[in-house]
Amino acid sequence: IAGITQAPTSQILAAGRRMTLRCTQDMRHNAMYWYRQDLGLGLRLIHYSNTAGTTGKGEVPDGYSVSRANTDDFPLTLASAVPSQTSVYFCASSDRTGSGANVLTFGAGSRLTVL
Amino acid sequence: GQNIDQPTEMTATEGAIVQINCTYQTSGFNGLFWYQQHAGEAPTFLSYNVLDGLEEKGRFSSFLSRSKGYSYLLLKELQMKDSASYLCAVRDRNYQLIWGAGTKLIIKP
Repeated sequence: IAGITQAPTSQILAAGRRMTLRCTQDMRHNAMYWYRQDLGLGLRLIHYSNTAGTTGKGEVPDGYSVSRANTDDFPLTLASAVPSQTSVYFCASSDRTGSGANVLTFGAGSRLTVL
Repeated sequence: GQNIDQPTEMTATEGAIVQINCTYQTSGFNGLFWYQQHAGEAPTFLSYNVLDGLEEKGRFSSFLSRSKGYSYLLLKELQMKDSASYLCAVRDRNYQLIWGAGTKLIIKP
């Protein structure tokens, strides 16, 4: 089934640890995104990539890094986790950037708890 | 700053009609989206408006007034499975999506 796969589904980790959230899509979408979702707030963009080999910073990039070595994979790394990074993380993709509907397809999410 | 406002929670009865409002103030406008998100799941696309007026898609309709910075999502013949959060998002002049916090819709029998 075409879509986006995120891993892990859920993770608890100690503050200061390094963590990578994985995201893979099989739709050949050129644009990919990482969002975090916190109670009472709208989805906030962390990083994005308009095409393989390029990345950009979103609204809340501090403490996170991404890479886009190929079209399908877009991992998100927390170099040294802090409790404020406790959140639900969604990876998303779209088939084009710029004008048009550019509908996002979301992964199932990764629930991260930093203690 | 950029801002999307929508009610935090609404309650409606099965079989009835409900209207979820969204007002926005953004730097430019390149379309407005509605997504549905069931608890513990990913958001899924419902509708897209870029021109003023009403877009109808089955039981769901979405309206846009760009001059008023206003949209609504209309859900007819409510079913229990419509219990979910409804997210309003606007794409700004830089083609970045600005998201509202979502409206949690509770359907009662």
